[in-house]
This record gives sequence, C-alpha cells and structure tokens, in this order.
Amino acid sequence: AAGVIQSPRHLIKEKRETATLKCYPIPRHDTVYWYQQGPGQDPQFLISFYEKMQSDKGSIPDRFSAQQFSDYHSELNMSSLELGDSALYFCASSPRQGRETQYFGPGTRLLVL
Amino acid sequence: DQQVKQNSPSLSVQEGRISILNCDYTNSMFDYFLWYKKYPAEGPTFLISISSIKDKNEDGRFTVFLNKSAKHLSLHIVPSQPGDSAVYFCAASETSGSRLTFGEGTQLTVNP
Repeated sequence: AAGVIQSPRHLIKEKRETATLKCYPIPRHDTVYWYQQGPGQDPQFLISFYEKMQSDKGSIPDRFSAQQFSDYHSELNMSSLELGDSALYFCASSPRQGRETQYFGPGTRLLVL
Repeated sequence: DQQVKQNSPSLSVQEGRISILNCDYTNSMFDYFLWYKKYPAEGPTFLISISSIKDKNEDGRFTVFLNKSAKHLSLHIVPSQPGDSAVYFCAASETSGSRLTFGEGTQLTVNP
C-alpha cells in the first residue's frame, strides 16, 4: 500500500540558512499535518492543511511557513535556521473518510550546525 | 502542560505474555484516542484507535480500553512477540481530523 512520502530524508544546514521539506500524502488523502519531534521528546503539532487551506496552526515559529498545493503535496519552508530547529519533522495525512486516523511518513531528520 | 501522559518510560515483558501500556489524559474535550508504534529512524505506525463513545476496541492481538471517567486508556498486546519491541505513543484529538496531542512514549521490550 502507498504510504506518505517525505523528502529529503536527511538534511544538514548551517545556522541562518533556509530549508524546504516536502511531503506527498497517501493518494486520495486531502489533509496534511506537520509535526516536529525533538530529541527524546514526543511529536509536537506544527500546522495542518485541508483542501489546500490552512486548517490549524500550532507552535510553529514565524520563521516557518507551509502550504499545500493543488496535487495535495505540502512543503514546509524554514528560514533563518537555528540550532534548536534540529529535529525530526514528520508529515502525516488523513483521508476524507476516516479523518480521525493520521498516517505518518518516515520523517526528515534536520541537523542545523 | 502535558495533556497526554504515559507515566512508564519503559516496560519489559516475556515473549508470549501480555503487555499493558497505560496512558492518562487531562483534556476532557478529547474525542479520539490512538496508539502508534515507532521504530528508530521511522515514522509512527498507526496501530489501533478508539472513539470516546466506546470503551473497548479490538484488532487481532491488540485491544484498547478507554475509561472516560478516569481519563485513562490502555493498550493490551496478547501474546507479546519480540517484533513488538518499539516505542509506543498514545495520542488524542478533540475532533475528527484535528491535531494529535502525543504522550511521551513507552519503550516496550519483549524478551525471547
């Protein structure tokens, strides 16, 4: 079965650089969620999109922005990177029917040096 | 504040025995509860869920129990297998499709 695809899987950046993370949801899933998991922590909700519109916003820094495109894929743009942004970034998607269950991608590991 | 709490960071059981993972929550608006399993360097894998209108949901070796008055849920794995060794996260949401709030996770080790 098709799963959520995230790219890249690993990313190394310098402080103050920018990064773009991509997420391709499971086919026919119209809602995308982004989560951040710091070392030894539980995943924290950042932002979500439903039908290409922002549906909810969590503890996402102003330096980050995201959008969902017409093909339902989503991109998380991170600017002025800080050391504290080093984390695992997960994307999840949910279907129109059964929206209560979110299916997660493998994550992007971002390291900021 | 941690709205979803898993008070046991780790649990070790023998193969074939029952594993019981516990989760408590404080937000009475939570309506859906899910359990995810996570291996290192992978994303969380959905295991089983339960809606607040039910008190039990079963899927193969996995059963989730919900005690709404106590704001407590548990995941039972019977029989436990070595391949079940992973971190288990409890998660909750207020409405269908809304953000998930996760617990801290419990590392389950099933010994052969």
